[in-house]
Amino acid sequence: DTEVTQTPKHLVMGMTNKKSLKCEQHMGHRAMYWYKQKAKKPPELMFVYSYEKLSINESVPSRFSPECPNSSLLNLHLHALQPEDSALYLCASSQGAAPYEQYFGPGTRLTVT
Amino acid sequence: GESVGLHLPTLSVQEGDNSIINCAYSNSASDYFIWYKQESGKGPQFIIDIRSNMDKRQGQRVTVLLNKTVKHLSLQIAATQPGDSAVYFCAENSNAGNMLTFGGGTRLMVKP
Repeated sequence: DTEVTQTPKHLVMGMTNKKSLKCEQHMGHRAMYWYKQKAKKPPELMFVYSYEKLSINESVPSRFSPECPNSSLLNLHLHALQPEDSALYLCASSQGAAPYEQYFGPGTRLTVT
Repeated sequence: GESVGLHLPTLSVQEGDNSIINCAYSNSASDYFIWYKQESGKGPQFIIDIRSNMDKRQGQRVTVLLNKTVKHLSLQIAATQPGDSAVYFCAENSNAGNMLTFGGGTRLMVKP
């Protein structure tokens, strides 16, 4: 199984809402990532979890809160977002902390109204 | 191709021709590089990777070339097919950890 799954596929939320994005992999990977991708742009790294611990936070605003409940799951909790946060949110996983290929999920298309 | 402003560079090729997509990377200390393919509405899909101790690596219909002297990476696709139409990103690992930095992307359009 080389699949990373993400739910929901689409999400529309108001600026006062609280929502969560979910990501799951069953490849035994020990590193998981959140990326943000705007239209016609490359993915931009937000967070890295390595062995279930947050190892990298790319100066992401606190309205985005990641969580790694176990080695297979990664969540991104959203609160008080702004319209400019509308984007495709991608989850990825890789074998470990050394440079390895990252496998991406299909993404969650988020619209903030 | 490299990203210029808000518009992705586009490479248009005839079906059956070979395609070459170029990428200039930024960090001479980068030691690992990946090419990804992203189709509309999907996440990036791994195509091929190369480490800095190599200058060429071949996969099925794809070849990646690495020129460390000029910090240049290229992806060659042989006998390009309509299903190859997508945006292609190069990515570099520029520190000892597992951070990837993506290039701007090139849109490949295959004409039947």
